[in-house]
Amino acid sequence: GAVVSQHPSRVICKSGTSVKIECRSLDFQATTMFWYRQFPKQSLMLMATSNEGSKATYEQGVEKDKFLINHASLTLSTLTVTSAHPEDSSFYICSARKWIPGTSEETQYFGPGTRLLVL
Amino acid sequence: AQKVTQAQTEISVVEKEDVTLDCVYETRDTTYYLFWYKQPPSGELVFLIRRNSFDEQNEISGRYSWNFQKSTSSFNFTITASQVVDSAVYFCALSEVYQGAQKLVFGQGTRLTINP
Repeated sequence: GAVVSQHPSRVICKSGTSVKIECRSLDFQATTMFWYRQFPKQSLMLMATSNEGSKATYEQGVEKDKFLINHASLTLSTLTVTSAHPEDSSFYICSARKWIPGTSEETQYFGPGTRLLVL
Repeated sequence: AQKVTQAQTEISVVEKEDVTLDCVYETRDTTYYLFWYKQPPSGELVFLIRRNSFDEQNEISGRYSWNFQKSTSSFNFTITASQVVDSAVYFCALSEVYQGAQKLVFGQGTRLTINP
């Protein structure tokens, strides 16, 4: 199997507070995880690549000081939205990369997502 | 740059009809992977299929089938005898290798509605 969980599934916070979202691979180890953002009725936008034991790689236009990523273990990556503002309200989805044993092929398995609403 | 185009923004059919979702991609890589994901209203992306660029065999899984045509850079998805539970947004994606890591490039998605 390849199960990825995310917590919390939904969060409402006040403007100026920080919010932490956890992404866990439950039945496999993932050296690499990805964080995406999705606006209503739009496609997924890759925010950053999270690598276990090293710094995350951010996509162009994504503020690394605003979206802090920590990949502390082979099964856990966290995204912290610092000093959140209403424009940060969105659906955040993580994925974990799973390698096919004996091959160079991989598949990304996605978590259920976190809906963030900043008031 | 790599690109995935899903020209059909929304499709609506009546239950039991067959429906095909189109996906056209652009890439300069000789080795690449194509994917389809399903996103039901709950929001989670469900992996459906991965196909590598060297394998042009079509695949069938139950009511789902995929037609990979390298000559036209297309990877279309057909649902046979559609059911209401098939209603979802479907994303086609292409993997690219950038700085040693594979990243997914997604199409805009096709919203499929199956009416009873």
